Amino acid sequence: GAGVSQSPRYKVAKRGQDVALRCDPISGHVSLFWYQQALGQGPEFLTYFQNEAQLDKSGLPSDRFFAERPEGSVSTLKIQRTQQEDSAVYLCASTRSVQGYGYTFGSGTRLTVV
Amino acid sequence: AQKITQTQPGMFVQEKEAVTLDCTYDTSDPSYGLFWYKQPSSGEMIFLIYQGSYDQQNATEGRYSLNFQKARKSANLVISASQLGDSAMYFCAMRGVRAGNMLTFGGGTRLMVKP
Repeated sequence: GAGVSQSPRYKVAKRGQDVALRCDPISGHVSLFWYQQALGQGPEFLTYFQNEAQLDKSGLPSDRFFAERPEGSVSTLKIQRTQQEDSAVYLCASTRSVQGYGYTFGSGTRLTVV
Repeated sequence: AQKITQTQPGMFVQEKEAVTLDCTYDTSDPSYGLFWYKQPSSGEMIFLIYQGSYDQQNATEGRYSLNFQKARKSANLVISASQLGDSAMYFCAMRGVRAGNMLTFGGGTRLMVKP
């Protein structure tokens, strides 16, 4: 597609519920990133894929967070047993090449845990 | 470790005037890149400008220019001739070669353009 697409745009989850957030990057983009943006703050890195390989998951806040990109295109960020502190906007970004600086961001998924 | 600091939580500027948004950074990486993004209320991060640490000249993109002072570790964004549509959050970010390909963001500055 023309841009990075994220779905759903908004998600309300009850505490303890599992959620799955989808990112559809620009076709052919090798690198894919997930960021978490709390209200009023800058995005914080969660994890990074190069094609289907997850090369860095150092930013995942707990083992309740899991990300995958099985075929090197669409990625899913899964959060198990959601907690209130998980409420944030989750942003996905992709780049054409490993060293490229043309990061394209999606509009994000706003997760609210009640 | 990399760190980006934006000390201005919010700023006002009169329409058609220029404004400077501050950004300082800290890194031990010898090679790095600096970015500025605009985030309107819709939430999408819009790329504005990029400066490589070895670039000799300050980057410019239309009304945006980056005042890069390597010795002071600052990368301020200058917006000339502000427009009402410039009202948004602005984030400074960096990427270091050693630190991997992820971007490290500052806390942002909310810019409000007054008519």
